[in-house]
Amino acid sequence: QVQLQESGPGLVKPSQTLSLTCSVSGGSISSGGYYWSWIRQQPGKGLEWIGYIYYSASTYYTPSLRSRVTISVDTSKNQFSLKLSSVTAADSAVYFCARVRTVAGLINWFDPWGQGTLVTVSS
Amino acid sequence: DIQMTQSPSSLSASVGDRVTIACRASQNISSYLNWYQQKPGKAPKFLIYAAYNLQSGVPSRFSGSGSGTDFTLTITSLQPEDFATYYCQQSYVPYTFGQGTKLEIK
Repeated sequence: QVQLQESGPGLVKPSQTLSLTCSVSGGSISSGGYYWSWIRQQPGKGLEWIGYIYYSASTYYTPSLRSRVTISVDTSKNQFSLKLSSVTAADSAVYFCARVRTVAGLINWFDPWGQGTLVTVSS
Repeated sequence: DIQMTQSPSSLSASVGDRVTIACRASQNISSYLNWYQQKPGKAPKFLIYAAYNLQSGVPSRFSGSGSGTDFTLTITSLQPEDFATYYCQQSYVPYTFGQGTKLEIK
């Protein structure tokens, strides 16, 4: 079955750009039918959706982060990536990648998820 | 954005108990509501979609109900592995989650 795995630096300096990659195995991003998402969870807090991308590179970002977020896809590597610019301590979180399964219209959900990767913003 | 509010934020229960977690949307979301379970240090696990449809493999002691703005997740006959944090999530972009309900052992 499809599995997702996040990778990237665990420590980022304030004002720099956070960069993470999600590698997908067991299925092809190019096959279509799914959106590929990033979600984060600040320490001890709830879940915050960041955005998603389709294999065609169409994207949607949550408004609160839109000015700083870029999600891209590399179908040749079966990966998608997150860049978050001008980070502060408030961006310290566990970052998850997840697939968005859509059955019909608004019937959609996140499954599966990667295991998550902790990113700390600190000098 | 649609705001999702869960109640209670935490609750204590015993093995064998029946518990209900509520989730309220700030506007009508029809039945476009999902539920997830998260254990410490793990990714969330998808449980229920479109308010009441169980994901394959999810035990039948889990059930969901509701529509419009008010939804519930019910777990009957709690098992030790059910103690976790539960999140609701609505399916309109931008997707948003409830703040979570931590279910603890009494």
